[in-house]
Amino acid sequence: GIQVEQSPPDLILQEGANSTLRCNFSDSVNNLQWFHQNPWGQLINLFYIPSGTKQNGRLSATTVATERYSLLYISSSQTTDSGVYFCAVELVGGGSNYKLTFGKGTLLTVNP
Amino acid sequence: SQTIHQWPATLVQPVGSPLSLECTVEGTSNPNLYWYRQAAGRGLQLLFYSVGIGQISSEVPQNLSASRPQDRQFILSSKKLLLSDSGFYLCAWQRDRGPTNTEAFFGQGTRLTVV
Repeated sequence: GIQVEQSPPDLILQEGANSTLRCNFSDSVNNLQWFHQNPWGQLINLFYIPSGTKQNGRLSATTVATERYSLLYISSSQTTDSGVYFCAVELVGGGSNYKLTFGKGTLLTVNP
Repeated sequence: SQTIHQWPATLVQPVGSPLSLECTVEGTSNPNLYWYRQAAGRGLQLLFYSVGIGQISSEVPQNLSASRPQDRQFILSSKKLLLSDSGFYLCAWQRDRGPTNTEAFFGQGTRLTVV
């Protein structure tokens, strides 16, 4: 099946710093999403971005589908940004259609 | 707008007891529905998905089963819980579609502890 690798696995920042999270995937995808898992466990949708670039406030994401990677940028980080960030992809066609495969996540800790 | 509800939020059950977790979606029809589990250590694993009433696909052999008795209702069950069934269970939905893919949205999750 498709492989999804996220890096770094853990990241510690001081408030106000910028960061880049990476997601590599091993095959062509129909769907790529970034999620933030809050301290209560809920998965918050950040971006639906199978290709291109999107921005939402201090967060932005870029997916280069032809090179099979996506980047999540967090600028001017805040303590509320802490948590686990997941990348999830949906394979093009075949038996894996209709399901998201998740990476193992990046645990971000933002210190005041 | 669409919303997804999942309950209960937390559950502590003894080994060997039955389980029933429920998930419902509002504001859409014929959604694709999913059950994921997140064990300690972060990764999310797909357990079941359903593209319609009564249509269930299982991703991994296990002690659990799923059912979809109504269009917007998805239930995760077990007849006898094992310690290894402990974890965080998440329900998700996607709008039914053909070649066009859409976002998945998740419920708040159920934290199950089997003791």
